[in-house]
Amino acid sequence: DAGVIQSPRHEVTEMGQEVTLRCKPISGHDYLFWYRQTMMRGLELLIYFNNNVPIDDSGMPEDRFSAKMPNASFSTLKIQPSEPRDSAVYFCASSPSGRMAYYGYTFGSGTRLTVV
Amino acid sequence: KQEVTQIPAALSVPEGENLVLNCSFTDSAIYNLQWFRQDPGKGLTSLLLIQSSQREQTSGRLNASLDKSSGRSTLYIAASQPGDSATYLCAVRKQAGTALIFGKGTTLSVSS
Repeated sequence: DAGVIQSPRHEVTEMGQEVTLRCKPISGHDYLFWYRQTMMRGLELLIYFNNNVPIDDSGMPEDRFSAKMPNASFSTLKIQPSEPRDSAVYFCASSPSGRMAYYGYTFGSGTRLTVV
Repeated sequence: KQEVTQIPAALSVPEGENLVLNCSFTDSAIYNLQWFRQDPGKGLTSLLLIQSSQREQTSGRLNASLDKSSGRSTLYIAASQPGDSATYLCAVRKQAGTALIFGKGTTLSVSS
């Protein structure tokens, strides 16, 4: 398996523009997580899905952020409109359930977002 | 609300030294605890995972312990090398179907 795949790796956009981050989890993993990492706040959970259904979105900063998981192999995190304070590294991770949860999370390489 | 704290925030040691990184968590009712390594500008690599019923896990020069009752975990690195320089993150999971909560990490620098 190629692991958790995120795209793009880097994104530079102007304030007010829409940004879409993409994630492909590991096949067979039924949990998918979106995290944001900044120097000040560390790694923060934004939202997570189980079997494509959002379970907890309490970490989503505000209505400008939205996430979808239309099928088991794809998820998006959208920011509209983007603001400079959204600049961060966004990570996607996936995890199996049941007995396989023993093996924990696998993270993608992240998307470094810069909003100017 | 679960909070995870890692002390120290940064640590510098000479090559060859044995060292301990500390992690504490406020709610002892956890499902498992996971240690990650993050190199600058990179993603997270899982190092060790300890289930709530376990006391420790070992991988090569790394040993992680868990004391659930006191809300503490340690990551022991033996005979440190410059290649161990990275940020080490501790994270806990309350239940099988919940998300990992992370500490802010300890940034380790090993000088040759």
